[in-house]
Amino acid sequence: DAGVIQSPRHEVTEMGQEVTLRCKPISGHNSLFWYRQTMMRGLELLIYFNNNVPIDDSGMPEDRFSAKMPNASFSTLKIQPSEPRDSAVYFCASSLGTGGEQYFGPGTRLTVT
Amino acid sequence: GENVEQHPSTLSVQEGDSAVIKCTYSDSASNYFPWYKQELGKGPQLIIDIRSNVGEKKDQRIAVTLNKTAKHFSLHITETQPEDSAVYFCAASLGTDKLIFGTGTRLQVFP
Repeated sequence: DAGVIQSPRHEVTEMGQEVTLRCKPISGHNSLFWYRQTMMRGLELLIYFNNNVPIDDSGMPEDRFSAKMPNASFSTLKIQPSEPRDSAVYFCASSLGTGGEQYFGPGTRLTVT
Repeated sequence: GENVEQHPSTLSVQEGDSAVIKCTYSDSASNYFPWYKQELGKGPQLIIDIRSNVGEKKDQRIAVTLNKTAKHFSLHITETQPEDSAVYFCAASLGTDKLIFGTGTRLQVFP
């Protein structure tokens, strides 16, 4: 089992650029989560999907952030335009069923200069 | 909404000693309490969880206790080993997919 796959692992970009983070959940899992981790704010849930439908996006910081899940095996988190305060590690996680164990990917470390 | 507080933020113990991490939650309706371990450069990994109909759960050297009245739960690690060194996160959920995480505890086990 390959686990949750995220790409890229590291991203360095300049302020104002568009950033797209990608996630492939574990096959068969029907819930997908996007988290952001920073020293100041800890681990925050940004948005989660169930059966490809966004269920709760209350954690999305502002309109610059958007997430899609076009099918059961792929999701993207896009930041446009990016700002230095978006620098963080972004994790994708997936789970099977409601309230099931969440399996985290290795994360994408984003640096916006 | 739910709020989870976690203490201490850092914890240093000697190999073989026990370590205890405590969390409190605000919403009495929360009914699921997982603990995650995060090693350097990796994503968090579930190590143990407990539901509100159980007061204690053990898995080898790890145990979790839950006090619903006081709205707090704790992680106990006995006979600590250097490989236990990591950041530990507690979380709470109302039984949905949404987890609210604590701020994390950095545990260092010295040989």
